[in-house]
Amino acid sequence: SAVISQKPSRDICQRGTSLTIQCQVDSQVTMMFWYRQQPGQSLTLIATANQGSEATYESGFVIDKFPISRPNLTFSTLTVSNMSPEDSSIYLCSVLQGSDTQYFGPGTRLTVL
Amino acid sequence: DAKTTQPPSMDCAEGRAANLPCNHSTISGNEYVYWYRQIHSQGPQYIIHGLKNNETNEMASLIITEDRKSSTLILPHATLRDTAVYYCIVRGSTGNQFYFGTGTSLTVIP
Repeated sequence: SAVISQKPSRDICQRGTSLTIQCQVDSQVTMMFWYRQQPGQSLTLIATANQGSEATYESGFVIDKFPISRPNLTFSTLTVSNMSPEDSSIYLCSVLQGSDTQYFGPGTRLTVL
Repeated sequence: DAKTTQPPSMDCAEGRAANLPCNHSTISGNEYVYWYRQIHSQGPQYIIHGLKNNETNEMASLIITEDRKSSTLILPHATLRDTAVYYCIVRGSTGNQFYFGTGTSLTVIP
């Protein structure tokens, strides 16, 4: 399976600031995804990061709040903009390997004060 | 995409088989069932998936009922390291997005 890394692994940020999370894969993949996991909750899909085009956002998530880049087939970033304490979550990226299975990165634990 | 229903929590004695049920009564004919687990806020780990036949790998077995409305993940000899939240997911036929339910928190007891 693909090896996926995320940076940073954790961060503590002040409200009103922005944080960019990086996701790096050790092989080229067709699809990458970003999820949010709020404390004590399950995973919620934020968006699909499309290479060479705009990300596709799920209902309840907008580009102004969560801009995503996908410059190539091994890398993507998610920015959490104008943060509030409600954005405190674990943010996870995943990749689709082959045609059918998603593999997840270790996650970025974000705390907003 | 079909929704899944799982019991919120289960216990299993170490060394015994853990049987985790999942209902997906609205699943359609070409939708796959996937199982992942998440150990203490790490990234979810892929376990197994299937369409209609039973599947087995080095981690677990997946039993899907003939009508495909439910499935069971079997960990044959549970260890303490199998304590985790287990998610049953039905992958939509129209895309590659996975939509997670609430999962089952499995505790393996010594």
